[in-house]
Amino acid sequence: QVQLVQSGAEVKTPGSSVKVSCKASGGTFSSYAFSWVRQAPGQGLEWMGGIIPIFRTTNYAQKFQDRVSITTDESTSTAYMELRSLRSEDTAVYYCAREKEAILDYWGPGTVVTVSS
Amino acid sequence: SSELTQDPAVSVALGQTVRITCQGDSLRTFYASWYQQKPGQAPVLVIFGKNNRPSGIPDRFSGSSSGNTASLTITGAQAEDEADYYCNSRDTSNNHVVFGGGTKLTVL
Repeated sequence: QVQLVQSGAEVKTPGSSVKVSCKASGGTFSSYAFSWVRQAPGQGLEWMGGIIPIFRTTNYAQKFQDRVSITTDESTSTAYMELRSLRSEDTAVYYCAREKEAILDYWGPGTVVTVSS
Repeated sequence: SSELTQDPAVSVALGQTVRITCQGDSLRTFYASWYQQKPGQAPVLVIFGKNNRPSGIPDRFSGSSSGNTASLTITGAQAEDEADYYCNSRDTSNNHVVFGGGTKLTVL
């Protein structure tokens, strides 16, 4: 059974950065892509970007292109999402999900990121 | 970029059938996937491809597609089906993943 375990909640100040991790187990890490999706309080799902570990290719939503970096460490089957220049509007739950052809079949539990001065 | 449009809210009487729709140009090329999200929980994939259910998803959930519209049908809705439902697909212009705005389903 595939499991995605995410790092814990973060509280950040405006202008800082956050890096969220997502450790996969129970599947072949490099065979799939991994997407990051966020959900602001009371809002819908928003795709931020994704990575294909075997090719180390990334794809970012235009909205986050300048502020986000998604990476992987195949030795630990872990994906990372770093978001820079944080602002209050980035307060959200951040999910990682295993993806194949835009089908997100397994999701992590989410990481709450709060941006506040 | 491609957009997917969903009705914000839909209601259904207990035991009745409800259809939740998702419209967008990308659906003429790609199938939609559907996700169920209950409060405080991560989304769960319920339908993908032409009409496929992951293991553990009840067979009262089904999917269909016609033109630019994808539909999720729940036949015999149960109280536990009350949740937010999101569709997603791929943007034909840039290969990005795109989500609909979500539909809040209330079971009366």
